[in-house]
Amino acid sequence: EIVLTQSPGTLSLSPGERATLSCRASQSVTNNYLAWYQQEPGQAPRFLIHGASSRATGIPDRFSGSGSGTDFTLTISRLEPEDFAVYYCQQYGSAPLTFGGGTKVEIK
Amino acid sequence: EVQLVESGGGLVQPGGSLRLSCAASGFTFNGHWINWVRQPPGKGLVWVSRINGDGSIITYADSVKGRFTISRDNAKNTVYLQMNGLRAEDTAVYYCISILEAVCGRGTTVTVSS
Repeated sequence: EIVLTQSPGTLSLSPGERATLSCRASQSVTNNYLAWYQQEPGQAPRFLIHGASSRATGIPDRFSGSGSGTDFTLTISRLEPEDFAVYYCQQYGSAPLTFGGGTKVEIK
Repeated sequence: EVQLVESGGGLVQPGGSLRLSCAASGFTFNGHWINWVRQPPGKGLVWVSRINGDGSIITYADSVKGRFTISRDNAKNTVYLQMNGLRAEDTAVYYCISILEAVCGRGTTVTVSS
């Protein structure tokens, strides 16, 4: 089973700042099949990125994904008020599929 | 509009059963893997099971193997999750996801309690 470790656990930033979220895998993710989700309190997860770097339909271009192998990054170039939420990474290259523990982006 | 809609959740006693449904619209359903994931109260996302486009490849998390069964009816654009032998630790919001279409449903809540 591939273990995904997200860091930091909590990121305290101000609107307009840049956010950099990390997701590290315990072994290489097949075909870089790595997704990112955003989840606001009480809401369903929202799909942001698949294939490590492909934005889902309707996702603003301030969200970008990068990385390969075992190290992946989600970058939010300039934080908007609606971006303060919890973010999860997921690998879907091999079963069992696994999620990271999440990074909470909170207002500083 | 690409959409997944879950239903079938509810309150059930330990040892009981429920069948969840995931209805798809807006995309070519029979070519897509569909995943079930769950989120226990106050916790993170956990993958449960997946099924490929024609139902020939199925995988489960160890925690549900032997108790849950995933299936699909492509004529109805629906994936099912039959949950038997439910335990308190199965209490969660259950979501279905199509990674290829990059869409997640809004979830259905399952509560296992006496």
